[in-house]
Amino acid sequence: KAGVTQTPRYLIKTRGQQVTLSCSPISGHRSVSWYQQTPGQGLQFLFEYFSETQRNKGNFPGRFSGRQFSNSRSEMNVSTLELGDSALYLCASSRRSYQETQYFGPGTRLLVL
Amino acid sequence: DAKTTQPNSMESNEEEPVHLPCNHSTISGTDYIHWYRQLPSQGPEYVIHGLTSNVNNRMASLAIAEDRKSSTLILHRATLRDAAVYYCIAGMEYGNKLVFGAGTILRVKS
Repeated sequence: KAGVTQTPRYLIKTRGQQVTLSCSPISGHRSVSWYQQTPGQGLQFLFEYFSETQRNKGNFPGRFSGRQFSNSRSEMNVSTLELGDSALYLCASSRRSYQETQYFGPGTRLLVL
Repeated sequence: DAKTTQPNSMESNEEEPVHLPCNHSTISGTDYIHWYRQLPSQGPEYVIHGLTSNVNNRMASLAIAEDRKSSTLILHRATLRDAAVYYCIAGMEYGNKLVFGAGTILRVKS
């Protein structure tokens, strides 16, 4: 079974731009979560989608948004990029929306200049 | 989800067992204990989880204290490929939210 895939793997943007990252979950998984990882803050939860509905949200500004499609694929968008948004963005999938083992993708490394 | 405390780093020799401790004194009765690890340049990887009884899988064993205030991840024979950051997580919020701490950096010497 194919694992979680994320595209693109690397991205360079400049301040003020926006970016869209994509995540394809494991087949049959309906929950997709997003995390941001930085050296200073570690791994932090952004949000989770299950059956196209956002179930939980972390403490991030409204510039960070996401959505999930009917095939469970998910995208996250960051608008008006700031230097501090440079990070590894990880997505994880699971079958259900609670107390489920998470399977992580390799991440998208975003550099904001 | 309960707060967890782990040592910042540990070191092991290859082929020897490794015991990674985790304290979670505020864990509730229904919180599972999860362990994930993150190898360099990769996303986190599920290792094992449990509620009350000790658990074994092909990767590791999880020993849970009787009062559930602490647990230990056991790697029976460490290899160089086991060098990673190991995260202990007590409980999971609705929406599969994992709250990661700083974790334990495991170094394995050949």
